[in-house]
Amino acid sequence: DARVTQTPRHKVTEMGQEVTMRCQPILGHNTVFWYRQTMMQGLELLAYFRNRAPLDDSGMPKDRFSAEMPDATLATLKIQPSEPRDSAVYFCASGLPGTSGETQYFGPGTRLLVL
Amino acid sequence: QKEVEQNSGPLSVPEGAIASLNCTYSDRVSQSFFWYRQYSGKSPELIMSIYSNGDKEDGRFTAQLNKASQYVSLLIRDSQPSDSATYLCAVNNFGNEKLTFGTGTRLTIIP
Repeated sequence: DARVTQTPRHKVTEMGQEVTMRCQPILGHNTVFWYRQTMMQGLELLAYFRNRAPLDDSGMPKDRFSAEMPDATLATLKIQPSEPRDSAVYFCASGLPGTSGETQYFGPGTRLLVL
Repeated sequence: QKEVEQNSGPLSVPEGAIASLNCTYSDRVSQSFFWYRQYSGKSPELIMSIYSNGDKEDGRFTAQLNKASQYVSLLIRDSQPSDSATYLCAVNNFGNEKLTFGTGTRLTIIP
């Protein structure tokens, strides 16, 4: 049963600390998305990659957020320094080329709380 | 104006009745439309997609699209308590992988 995996599932940290979230896309999927979900803003696209290259990161605050794909099996999202307003659930999704909503598979999410 | 708008609810519907969820979008070039279901504490899962004007049925679910009115809806017939969840509407343009989501409608089915 192919699934997107994300670690950690929960993270509590203090303001100013670095946070790293990891995602393992489904094997063979070469498009990876990072989303953030809050009660107020809903689900927002932060960035997405194809074949490890960033295609769009316009939704991501550039000063503190960074996203990378060191290899085809790992995507990372880093926040440095973290702030309380970053508290949210961060989802990773993966899909195939030309993927649309029909073929985006979401991971279980990382629930982040910044104190 | 948000690109995709949904009534946040909560929407309460008696078990066995029809639940009607609505979504409007602002970008006229949007071509693909999706409904996701999200249980509390879980990730979104796709339940319906629709690309052409009209209705599309899948089991107890019917998606309706009216591009002229920029309106998409989801009907759930014979509502069950297991349908209680938040329903997210999402849109994108053909060939564009980016999805724009609404903030979701929380649906509660009352036994």
